[in-house]
Amino acid sequence: SQKIEQNSEALNIQEGKTATLTCNYTNYSPAYLQWYRQDPGRGPVFLLLIRENEKEKRKERLKVTFDTTLKQSLFHITASQPADSATYLCALGTTGYSTLTFGKGTMLLVSP
Amino acid sequence: DAGVTQSPTHLIKTRGQQVTLRCSPKSGHDTVSWYQQALGQGPQFIFQYYEEEERQRGNFPDRFSGHQFPNYSSELNVNALLLGDSALYLCASSRDGGYTFGSGTRLTVV
Repeated sequence: SQKIEQNSEALNIQEGKTATLTCNYTNYSPAYLQWYRQDPGRGPVFLLLIRENEKEKRKERLKVTFDTTLKQSLFHITASQPADSATYLCALGTTGYSTLTFGKGTMLLVSP
Repeated sequence: DAGVTQSPTHLIKTRGQQVTLRCSPKSGHDTVSWYQQALGQGPQFIFQYYEEEERQRGNFPDRFSGHQFPNYSSELNVNALLLGDSALYLCASSRDGGYTFGSGTRLTVV
């Protein structure tokens, strides 16, 4: 069956360091992958989309890589800040009607 | 420009009751999807509406039904509520694949 795995344990890092979150998937051939940020009790907020034919995408302090051979995406936040503390979700989509399949998310805690 | 708005924000219901949740999509978006997010889990796809028709459905029982109106707003109905239906219900609107989520409705079944 299709499976999306994200680090189940919270990631604790110090302010100013680079946070790296992992998303692995099996039995899936996504056309694209998205990363979302979710704060407690709130809906997910879209951050970045990367397509299957793209290796890397950047937006300000964010960087996403997508390796369809390894079936893995890495999400990096450089110069992390306490305000970056949140749960980060990866979501896979296929062509067609574009419904998303989400991972469970990884909680990131950035300490001052 | 208002994003996706959902109502109510919180709701407490008793087992066996029925509930209706509402969603107004972002301006210009014609497709509405509903997701269920249990505590500590990622959102799970319930169904998607486009042109007032259910276009795609996830692995949820028939107790979950929906509707989309001509103005693209949508309702999610859940009948015969179970304790396990307690979750955050998220509405997402989109046009051409780009998603915007609402803040969700927190449903507690007691």
